[in-house]
Amino acid sequence: GIQVEQSPPDLILQEGANSTLRCNFSDSVNNLQWFHQNPWGQLINLFYIPSGTKQNGRLSATTVATERYSLLYISSSQTTDSGVYFCAVRAGGYQKVTFGTGTKLQVIP
Amino acid sequence: GAVVSQHPSWVICKSGTSVKIECRSLDFQATTMFWYRQFPKQSLMLMATSNEGSKATYEQGVEKDKFLINHASLTLSTLTVTSAHPEDSSFYICSASGAASGGYTDTQYFGPGTRLTVL
Repeated sequence: GIQVEQSPPDLILQEGANSTLRCNFSDSVNNLQWFHQNPWGQLINLFYIPSGTKQNGRLSATTVATERYSLLYISSSQTTDSGVYFCAVRAGGYQKVTFGTGTKLQVIP
Repeated sequence: GAVVSQHPSWVICKSGTSVKIECRSLDFQATTMFWYRQFPKQSLMLMATSNEGSKATYEQGVEKDKFLINHASLTLSTLTVTSAHPEDSSFYICSASGAASGGYTDTQYFGPGTRLTVL
């Protein structure tokens, strides 16, 4: 099956700093989403982005489908950005969704 | 829009009992629902995919007789953990996809999760 690797696995930032999270996948995908899992376990949709670039406030994401990676940019980080960030992909005509390994982000004041 | 609820949010049960977890899409019709399991500090592992009115498709290694999934309507799916044992203790999360307002039909929206502890 498709492999989805995220980097870095852990990241500590000073409040106000910028960061880039990466998601690599081993096969072509037709669906890619970024999620933020807060400390209580709730998964929050950030982007649906199988290709191209999108922005939402301090967050933006870019997926280069031909090169099989996606990037999530966080600018001017805040302590509330702390948590785990996952990308998840769907490949081919299958409904199965595969989650990446996750990046644990800690933003310190 | 695109709200998914899950009930209960946490449950503690004795070994050997069965536990039912409900997943509801509150403001859209979910043609497909997914059930995931997440162990501490790990990623989400897909257990099964269910389409309304059809039998669930289970991932390899997931016991269908132990984890019973029913998707009887476009807004409700249930996961029943039968004869639960301590090793079934985990965080169970459902998601729903469908024609939610303003979203793509295959976007997943997640419930808040259910923390199961089996004593």
